[in-house]
Amino acid sequence: AQSVTQLDSQVPVFEEAPVELRCNYSSSVSVYLFWYVQYPNQGLQLLLKYLSGSTLVESINGFEAEFNKSQTSFHLRKPSVHISDTAEYFCAVSPPSGYSTLTFGKGTMLLVSP
Amino acid sequence: DAGVTQSPTHLIKTRGQQVTLRCSPKSGHDTVSWYQQALGQGPQFIFQYYEEEERQRGNFPDRFSGHQFPNYSSELNVNALLLGDSALYLCASSWGRESGETQYFGPGTRLLVL
Repeated sequence: AQSVTQLDSQVPVFEEAPVELRCNYSSSVSVYLFWYVQYPNQGLQLLLKYLSGSTLVESINGFEAEFNKSQTSFHLRKPSVHISDTAEYFCAVSPPSGYSTLTFGKGTMLLVSP
Repeated sequence: DAGVTQSPTHLIKTRGQQVTLRCSPKSGHDTVSWYQQALGQGPQFIFQYYEEEERQRGNFPDRFSGHQFPNYSSELNVNALLLGDSALYLCASSWGRESGETQYFGPGTRLLVL
């Protein structure tokens, strides 16, 4: 069985400040890792994913996440946030084989203020 | 290219009733997964359909059932509704059922059970 822990339910930050959203997972096997973003009244959108290879993955809008196997973590970072980054962020895992089902954390609400 | 669409957007039912939610996958996708997102929680996997068959199921009772049609669209049925079934129901589609494939989410159907 797999589980995902997002310790911070809310992260308030000022515009242009850096941010880190934490994600830890538990699994008896290796996993694929994902970050999804959910804007108000919308579905989830994939931000980035780690399947294999370089442990640092980047998204097109400036976010990056680093897979740390020893710490079973996949924290999401952005060096400078914008008001438009205000949204709920979900970390998720799936097994590397078999079906593409996702196990999500409870989410972290990123609140960016001017 | 239309993304994943879901209908209806909102629904109000009373306890004991039955409900059917519908999903059309993104063009070219053949796999549909359903998730339940309770308020303040991350999405939870209900089941996945591929080639018109339920391939994987999460920890949900038999009151939750589904169907996939030859055009890959899908329905989620919930019988004997309980207050606790109130949630946002998300449909996600992907090409193939292999783990690691990006799942594209629809905007969801918000179900309120009174």
